[in-house]
Formats: sequence, C-alpha cells, structure tokens
Amino acid sequence: GESVGLHLPTLSVQEGDNSIINCAYSNSASDYFIWYKQESGKGPQFIIDIRSNMDKRQGQRVTVLLNKTVKHLSLQIAATQPGDSAVYFCAEKNSGGSNYKLTFGKGTLLTVNP
Amino acid sequence: ETGVTQTPRHLVMGMTNKKSLKCEQHLGHNAMYWYKQSAKKPLELMFVYSLEERVENNSVPSRFSPECPNSSHLFLHLHTLQPEDSALYLCASSQAGVAGELFFGEGSRLTVL
Repeated sequence: GESVGLHLPTLSVQEGDNSIINCAYSNSASDYFIWYKQESGKGPQFIIDIRSNMDKRQGQRVTVLLNKTVKHLSLQIAATQPGDSAVYFCAEKNSGGSNYKLTFGKGTLLTVNP
Repeated sequence: ETGVTQTPRHLVMGMTNKKSLKCEQHLGHNAMYWYKQSAKKPLELMFVYSLEERVENNSVPSRFSPECPNSSHLFLHLHTLQPEDSALYLCASSQAGVAGELFFGEGSRLTVL
C-alpha cells in the first residue's frame, strides 16, 4: 500500500498535444484507483476513478487505463490546454483495508507550453 | 470553490505556541479528513472522522489533536510543534464510506519557527 509511485516527476507538453501520466503500484489487493489534479495554491481535485474490474474509463478529455497484469495506471489527457498545468496524483485503495484510507503517489508536474 | 473552507490559509507559529486550524464543509458530507502535504512527499492521511466518530488515526504525534464537533466542522489543534511539522494541511470531506471522491479545501500553510 505504500508503493504507489510515478515514473516521471515532470512532464512538459505543447498545447494541443495529448499527455500521458503514468503510475505504478505494487499492491495487488488494491481494487480502486483515483486520479487527482492539484493546481498551484489549491487543494487536490478529483478527476476520474476506476475500479479493478475495469480496464478503461473515459471522462471529458481524460481517459484512465488500468493494466492489472503489470500493476500500471495511466491518465491520458487529450488536446492538453494551459489550464491542465498542475500536479497530478494517483491514489489507490486496498480492498482489505479501511474504506477511508487512500495511498497517494508523489505526483507528476505537468507543464503545458503555449 | 470546492465547498470546503479552511482557515487560516497561512499560519506562522513558534514551537511553544498553541493554535488551531479550522475546516468547514457545505456539501452535506458526513466524513471529514485531515491530510498533511510536505514537499516531495505523498499526501499523508492523519485523521478521519465519520459520523463525528474518529475512525482513523494514522500514527500521528499527540501534539496534533483533532476535534469534530459536528459533521460540518473539523479542527486540528496544534501545540508544541516542531519545525518538521511545517507543511500544507489539507482538509477534505466525502460521503461516509466512500473515500475515493474527496473534496479538498485549499489548505492551511503552516510554518513552525
């Protein structure tokens, strides 16, 4: 549960490009995953979630992919905009643990260049 | 505006001071959380209250004392803190039993001198 982490601490993209932010986890008992976005000076904001019985879930301009075989989670942002610049965190919940306890990764800083 | 309001936004205190952080949520939720966010570290869960009962205490030192007088308000009482306690303290709320979609406040930036 303490091993949620991110492959890349920083990511810089051009406006209009697609962004992919990755997250690795090692707890095979995790059954629920969430992505949060934190803009400078603000608290984290929920983006999208996915349960372990799914491989993919889409929202507005965002898609989360879950590969349970390699314990990998990714967040794809389509047509990235300057307003997407923020730190992105993945978080997981252990199916056998508390309903209230999420384990967060360290975060990836996404910078969108105009 | 997330519906979760934290005060003060910034606080500087000495190691011998006593201060409190306040959180108020206007979302009708019945679970409230304190998280600590330090530089280059993941968010750390400190305390959780559900239906005004403390359900999580994540090995937090006793110099941090939470209080939840009702489902809309949460306090974090601080006393004899250490410089390493300097961090952003985030309050969040959710429906009880549903920890995934947390609604966070903007945080209280604490500096301990």
